[in-house]
Amino acid sequence: SQTIHQWPATLVQPVGSPLSLECTVEGTSNPNLYWYRQAAGRGLQLLFYSVGIGQISSEVPQNLSASRPQDRQFILSSKKLLLSDSGFYLCAWRGTGRETQYFGPGTRLLVL
Amino acid sequence: SQQGEEDPQALSIQEGENATMNCSYKTSINNLQWYRQNSGRGLVHLILIRSNEREKHSGRLRVTLDTSKKSSSLLITASRAADTASYFCATPIQGAQKLVFGQGTRLTINP
Repeated sequence: SQTIHQWPATLVQPVGSPLSLECTVEGTSNPNLYWYRQAAGRGLQLLFYSVGIGQISSEVPQNLSASRPQDRQFILSSKKLLLSDSGFYLCAWRGTGRETQYFGPGTRLLVL
Repeated sequence: SQQGEEDPQALSIQEGENATMNCSYKTSINNLQWYRQNSGRGLVHLILIRSNEREKHSGRLRVTLDTSKKSSSLLITASRAADTASYFCATPIQGAQKLVFGQGTRLTINP
């Protein structure tokens, strides 16, 4: 069966520090991968998605970047965090040709 | 702008009652999906209804879709405390490459 992992689960970082969040998927090949951000009590904002290794589509111009160095690995990064980067970050995957997305447990980021 | 908008934003009912949440969307779709999110967790897919379906059931869940009104509803029957969560509708865009989520309905089931 397929599983999706995210780490860390919680992160507290100072403003101006770098960021690296990792997402990995097991049990499937060539998934579509997604990074979302969710503000408290709000819906999901799609940040990036990837249809294959090295292929990244950016949805919202901002302080973040994404990379997909391996088929089942998706990384969200920042060189310098802003206060506004605080939030709940969710990774998701979707099988090729399928319609449902499957979400990881999320990473809660607090920038102070 | 958001494709899907849920109504109400928050709903509080007694255990055993039925809960109904609504979702409206703007453009043509080929399916609509409902997800649940427990506090501090990831989203879990509940049910998908296609544009040629009017109603779909899954256990205590019943979803309806009215494409003429561009709206969908999620009914949870005989609610339980474990149903306390946020519920989101989502619609695909760009050939299902992406999903657009609404703001969600926060459901609280009181024992």
